Amino acid sequence: GQQVMQIPQYQHVQEGEDFTTYCNSSTTLSNIQWYKQRPGGHPVFLIQLVKSGEVKKQKRLTFQFGEAKKNSSLHITATQTTDVGTYFCAGATSGTYKYIFGTGTRLKVLA
Amino acid sequence: KAGVTQTPRYLIKTRGQQVTLSCSPISGHRSVSWYQQTPGQGLQFLFEYFSETQRNKGNFPGRFSGRQFSNSRSEMNVSTLELGDSALYLCASRVGGEQYFGPGTRLTVT
Repeated sequence: GQQVMQIPQYQHVQEGEDFTTYCNSSTTLSNIQWYKQRPGGHPVFLIQLVKSGEVKKQKRLTFQFGEAKKNSSLHITATQTTDVGTYFCAGATSGTYKYIFGTGTRLKVLA
Repeated sequence: KAGVTQTPRYLIKTRGQQVTLSCSPISGHRSVSWYQQTPGQGLQFLFEYFSETQRNKGNFPGRFSGRQFSNSRSEMNVSTLELGDSALYLCASRVGGEQYFGPGTRLTVT
């Protein structure tokens, strides 16, 4: 079945450093979403990418969708302690709203 | 607008029992999806309902079932509970592509 992997599993960074998490799907996706889950919280929607090669920015966050629509990345510039949490990608295949979540990347920011 | 609400927030059950969890979506959202979150397996899709019909289903045994009512509220039921069913159960309501998650129900099976 469809699988979505994320690397790295964990990342510790000093405040102010950059952070990137990568998401790879075993199948071509119709769209990909990114979520953030704070410790003890629930996933919060960040963004959805639909087009091949799409790049979207939200302040310090940059999201990319690969040309083949099988991979994606989230890059955070100059991390802050408020960025702490687990970042998940979630992909859906064409014609379905069945989202398969990635394994997640847990980010820790050291002040 | 009020967010997605889930009840109960915490639940302790014994192996072999059954449990029903409830989810009220954001007003106007007709799609509700359920997910199971565990440390070992991560976030796994259970099923999605839209206008009272199950549209998508994940790879869970038949002990896991759900339904949706005409007001879009949804319930999921797990029968014959097993220790491995201990998890955080999240529901998400959707409009367009964005999914809005509720706080979850933490189920512990002893």
